[in-house]
Amino acid sequence: GNSVTQMEGPVTLSEEAFLTINCTYTATGYPSLFWYVQYPGEGLQLLLKATKADDKGSNKGFEATYRKETTSFHLEKGSVQVSDSAVYFCALSDLDNQGGKLIFGQGTELSVKP
Amino acid sequence: NAGVTQTPKFQVLKTGQSMTLQCAQDMNHEYMSWYRQDPGMGLRLIHYSVGAGITDQGEVPNGYNVSRSTTEDFPLRLLSAAPSQTSVYFCASRDLGRNTEAFFGQGTRLTVV
Repeated sequence: GNSVTQMEGPVTLSEEAFLTINCTYTATGYPSLFWYVQYPGEGLQLLLKATKADDKGSNKGFEATYRKETTSFHLEKGSVQVSDSAVYFCALSDLDNQGGKLIFGQGTELSVKP
Repeated sequence: NAGVTQTPKFQVLKTGQSMTLQCAQDMNHEYMSWYRQDPGMGLRLIHYSVGAGITDQGEVPNGYNVSRSTTEDFPLRLLSAAPSQTSVYFCASRDLGRNTEAFFGQGTRLTVV
């Protein structure tokens, strides 16, 4: 079945460091790919998405490119801020599976120190 | 624009008690779902609905019931609470389609003692 695997956390970085959070997926169809962010005490909110191979999603300085050949959707940011501290979830959606069910990775906690 | 509203935010139950977690959305989304979030396990789908009158099971449905009498509301019922149901519960809604964004409620932190 479809699945998402993320790098394990927690990840601790200093402010202005470069961030990469790895995400790989397994899917039988042609899924859309998402990154969601969860700030402390809140629900998840969409950070960015890509709907087909080679698409690049971007938002708030974060980027991720849909790589079909490596089945990956790694999240990157060139210079992190303390306010980026949160849990990041990679997810995929495939209409063939339960009406467009979102399948999530286990989440990666990011902590950015001043 | 309220989005997805969940109540309550916190709840403590005794083993064997029942309760209903409420979820309402005001975006006219067809698709609504309930997830539970546990450390190291990401979000797991409990139940989902693709429209009023239609519900189906997700990955971890045992011990939970849902109904969808209106487009707006999708309550989750715990029939007889167990300590294994201690978790954070999220309701989400989205338009049907693989490209669409899901909107999440703020979550309900449930503790079963």
